[in-house]
Amino acid sequence: EDKVVQSPLSLVVHEGDTVTLNCSYEVTNFRSLLWYKQEKKAPTFLFMLTSSGIEKKSGRLSSILDKKELFSILNITATQTGDSAVYLCATIYSGAGSYQLTFGKGTKLSVIP
Amino acid sequence: DTGVSQDPRHKITKRGQNVTFRCDPISEHNRLYWYRQTLGQGPEFLTYFQNEAQLEKSRLLSDRFSAERPKGSFSTLEIQRTEQGDSAMYLCASSFPGGRGEQFFGPGTRLTVL
Repeated sequence: EDKVVQSPLSLVVHEGDTVTLNCSYEVTNFRSLLWYKQEKKAPTFLFMLTSSGIEKKSGRLSSILDKKELFSILNITATQTGDSAVYLCATIYSGAGSYQLTFGKGTKLSVIP
Repeated sequence: DTGVSQDPRHKITKRGQNVTFRCDPISEHNRLYWYRQTLGQGPEFLTYFQNEAQLEKSRLLSDRFSAERPKGSFSTLEIQRTEQGDSAMYLCASSFPGGRGEQFFGPGTRLTVL
């Protein structure tokens, strides 16, 4: 059975800190890994990673994928209170034309002033 | 607003009643997905449409659940004879035709079964 495991499950940091969120996966027919940010509503797309070793960056957020060790990390530098959210990692596999996402449980990040 | 929309946003029902949710995807997207999310968990895949064809259903989708996408645009998810265990957030997502797989989510419908 496909599995996506995120760690830590929750994290409390002070504004300005740098955080690293982890995502490991065991997925057959792996295609890509996606990161989403979820506040009290629907997940918002952050990154999609398909190739190993290529960093994706958007402002203070960056992410990288290691397909050999089957994990990804999401880094957030100079955290702000607005970064408080649940960060979800999901894998996508390509099988029989389906592109369903398999999600981890998420990491709940709380940034305190 | 050209994002994915869902209606209603909240639904409270009594056990045993039927409920129906609607999802309107982003207009250019031909792929549409339904997910269910319970507290403290990531979304779980329920079913997937490409245009009007329902191509995949999760084993989570019991016989009480049915989904349609009659004209390849909006979709409905119906739950018959609701149970308390059906209480969850029901999320709809859509993606581009031939895209790499990024899915864009709607705001969800929160179902509470009393």
